[in-house]
Amino acid sequence: SQELEQSPQSLIVQEGKNLTINCTSSKTLYGLYWYKQKYGEGLIFLMMLQKGGEEKSHEKITAKLDEKKQQSSLHITASQPSHAGIYLCGADGTGTASKLTFGTGTRLQVTL
Amino acid sequence: DADVTQTPRNRITKTGKRIMLECSQTKGHDRMYWYRQDPGLGLRLIYYSFDVKDINKGEISDGYSVSRQAQAKFSLSLESAIPNQTALYFCATSDLAGGVDTQYFGPGTRLTVL
Repeated sequence: SQELEQSPQSLIVQEGKNLTINCTSSKTLYGLYWYKQKYGEGLIFLMMLQKGGEEKSHEKITAKLDEKKQQSSLHITASQPSHAGIYLCGADGTGTASKLTFGTGTRLQVTL
Repeated sequence: DADVTQTPRNRITKTGKRIMLECSQTKGHDRMYWYRQDPGLGLRLIYYSFDVKDINKGEISDGYSVSRQAQAKFSLSLESAIPNQTALYFCATSDLAGGVDTQYFGPGTRLTVL
């Protein structure tokens, strides 16, 4: 079965700083999804990557999928308190776009 | 109104009780899912349904059952609740449009089994 490892597990950054979260898969990724979760609430879809080398941006958040399609990174530029939450990556490892495997999440705190 | 709703949002119950969590969606999606989230374990799939007549077990289906009453409704039941079923439960929906199966999540139900 596919496993996803996220790093770091938690992160505290000062407002205005940049940060990167990584998601590494044990198998080739057919699709990689990034979600954000506010504490104790539902998951909000951020973006999805399919092709090796693909990069997408949404506001100040950029995600990339490496060429070998086994690792993705999420980069936040000039962090704000609104970026605080838990970031989860989810992977489609079967190519059927049916079931997702999720990482354990990265907890981000943004201090003033 | 939210596209994916879950009821109740919070529930406290006792060991041995049968409990049902409900999920409704207005997105018109065929696919629906139930996950549980535990600290340090991420999200784990309990059951999923690709249409009203198609129900499949996920990785942790023991102790749970589901019912897909209509395209828009998918319920999760705990037959006899036990304390280790205390968790945050999420319903999700998706629609395989253009080969991309993005899942959209409800707000979650926090279940505590005493």
